[in-house]
Amino acid sequence: EDQVTQSPEALRLQEGESSSLNCSYTVSGLRGLFWYRQDPGKGPEFLFTLYSAGEEKEKERLKATLTKKESFLHITAPKPEDSATYLCAVQAGGGSQGNLIFGKGTKLSVKP
Amino acid sequence: NAGVTQTPKFQVLKTGQSMTLQCAQDMNHEYMSWYRQDPGMGLRLIHYSVGAGITDQGEVPNGYNVSRSTTEDFPLRLLSAAPSQTSVYFCASSHVRRETQYFGPGTRLLVL
Repeated sequence: EDQVTQSPEALRLQEGESSSLNCSYTVSGLRGLFWYRQDPGKGPEFLFTLYSAGEEKEKERLKATLTKKESFLHITAPKPEDSATYLCAVQAGGGSQGNLIFGKGTKLSVKP
Repeated sequence: NAGVTQTPKFQVLKTGQSMTLQCAQDMNHEYMSWYRQDPGMGLRLIHYSVGAGITDQGEVPNGYNVSRSTTEDFPLRLLSAAPSQTSVYFCASSHVRRETQYFGPGTRLLVL
């Protein structure tokens, strides 16, 4: 069964304190891994897509990396406006028929 | 482009009532999908469509119906609302299933 697990569930950082969020997955035939940001009361906002192990993508203070078993979202020198829930989703072949499987998310709080 | 739009933003129903959640996109996307988001759980796929006239079930389809008569619109129907359907509903779309999905702002539904 395709599965996605995100850790930690919640993370509290001081402004400027760098850290990483983890997304581990068990899927049959990974087609893509997606990171989204979700603010309270809003829909998920697309951040990155990663397709193969070793791939990396960056956007401002965020950097996403991918291995064969997990993905990391690295946050460098975060600011309070980075506070949000970060969602990871995978797209796989097999039973899920190419539809997205989401993790439960990591709620990030950045204090000034 | 307005992107993905959803109406209403918030709705209260009584048990047994029916209603339709509207979703529209103006990006000429072939793939559209409906998810529900509940506290402590990841986004779960309800129904999806790979093109006009084609729909299929996702992970949690019971109690919901969909149809896709045009490329732009993908309404979700609750036939007889139950308290277990209290949730936040998101519609998403992409060019094709494999590509990045873009989400609407969500509809918050409360069933009493």
